[in-house]
Amino acid sequence: ILNVEQSPQSLHVQEGDSTNFTCSFPSSNFYALHWYRWETAKSPEALFVMTLNGDEKKKGRISATLNTKEGYSYLYIKGSQPEDSATYLCAYYNQGGKLIFGQGTELSVKP
Amino acid sequence: DTAVSQTPKYLVTQMGNDKSIKCEQNLGHDTMYWYKQDSKKFLKIMFSYNNKELIINETVPNRFSPKSPDKAHLNLHINSLELGDSAVYFCASSQDNGQLTYGYTFGSGTRLTVV
Repeated sequence: ILNVEQSPQSLHVQEGDSTNFTCSFPSSNFYALHWYRWETAKSPEALFVMTLNGDEKKKGRISATLNTKEGYSYLYIKGSQPEDSATYLCAYYNQGGKLIFGQGTELSVKP
Repeated sequence: DTAVSQTPKYLVTQMGNDKSIKCEQNLGHDTMYWYKQDSKKFLKIMFSYNNKELIINETVPNRFSPKSPDKAHLNLHINSLELGDSAVYFCASSQDNGQLTYGYTFGSGTRLTVV
């Protein structure tokens, strides 16, 4: 993998459902993996920065895991709420000092 | 208090004009960035400055010139605007180059439309 790839591109869930998205990134020259939440008409906001293989971070109902050896990270949302509707971006920070973004997963949570 | 502020928010201009987008951060961060959101909505790095010094310069036409008068400001000047320059441009800042701490703080974006 040369780029950052996220799947699915979009996701529609009902309020209360739990969901997860995938981010795949190059496993070589890895330095850090960022997750951002981007609401419509606002700026991307950092959720997590992870650096170590096996890292798991949590903020409220949102958590993320990291596997640097195989080059993937999962973002989980437990009990989705309508206010969770946003685009979730992951970004791979390489040893060259560049933060490279995926295209994002657009989440829509219906009440 | 806005942490990273960009002006203007919207910019409509004619082909061939020269325009600037300003960015200021009040977070005391050392590093600032310009990203372009392309037609497929990817955020792509254009430039990065650390303490007023250019550290990343992606393959961007030389019509684009960043200017950092101090570490709190990173302005983007674009000469001879072309239709293909139409996009949303995001400024961002970070401390410790962002990789090991809190991530990047983004501005609200400037939507540039070249007609």
